Amino acid sequence: GAVVSQHPSWVICKSGTSVKIECRSLDFQATTMFWYRQFPKQSLMLMATSNEGSKATYEQGVEKDKFLINHASLTLSTLTVTSAHPEDSSFYICSARDPGGAYNEQFFGPGTRLTVL
Amino acid sequence: DAKTTQPPSMDCAEGRAANLPCNHSTISGNEYVYWYRQIHSQGPQYIIHGLKNNETNEMASLIITEDRKSSTLILPHATLRDTAVYYCIVWSWGKFQFGAGTQVVVTP
Repeated sequence: GAVVSQHPSWVICKSGTSVKIECRSLDFQATTMFWYRQFPKQSLMLMATSNEGSKATYEQGVEKDKFLINHASLTLSTLTVTSAHPEDSSFYICSARDPGGAYNEQFFGPGTRLTVL
Repeated sequence: DAKTTQPPSMDCAEGRAANLPCNHSTISGNEYVYWYRQIHSQGPQYIIHGLKNNETNEMASLIITEDRKSSTLILPHATLRDTAVYYCIVWSWGKFQFGAGTQVVVTP
């Protein structure tokens, strides 16, 4: 299957700082990428849908000014957590949809563990 | 949005078949059912998907009822490495909405 990478795999930051997480599709061009957040022992929660060249679509309850998403190219989407606080500590996972695939399957990255002190 | 219901947990003996049920009674006619699994602290891994016919690949089999209101994922010979949370998802409105999934524990 297609490969999606994330960088960094983990990050620790101080409260009030901003953190950028990158999501890359390595062997296909992804017009649509998705960002999820997962708290311990919980399921994945969709945060936003990122479309190349246009503004992201955020799910209800997700602050767009706090979670900045940029999808500037067909292989890269970034999520920036601005002014991070301890409650933003979570496992952030991206996925990409391969437009060449026939069935809308998504390929997930390995996730980024964010810890805010 | 089509929603799915799965049992919260299931134990399975190594080498035996694991049958994971999923209810998706509100599914629409053109919506696919996808199965993913997530091993601890990793991203979800695609397993299989289907529309109305039964499907089989190298990882699993998917049995979909004729009315499409439920499905069963079958892991034919479970191994310890199959211990994971298994998610049944319906592609709806251009996105996946994950439910709680089933925690499968394979024991020796």
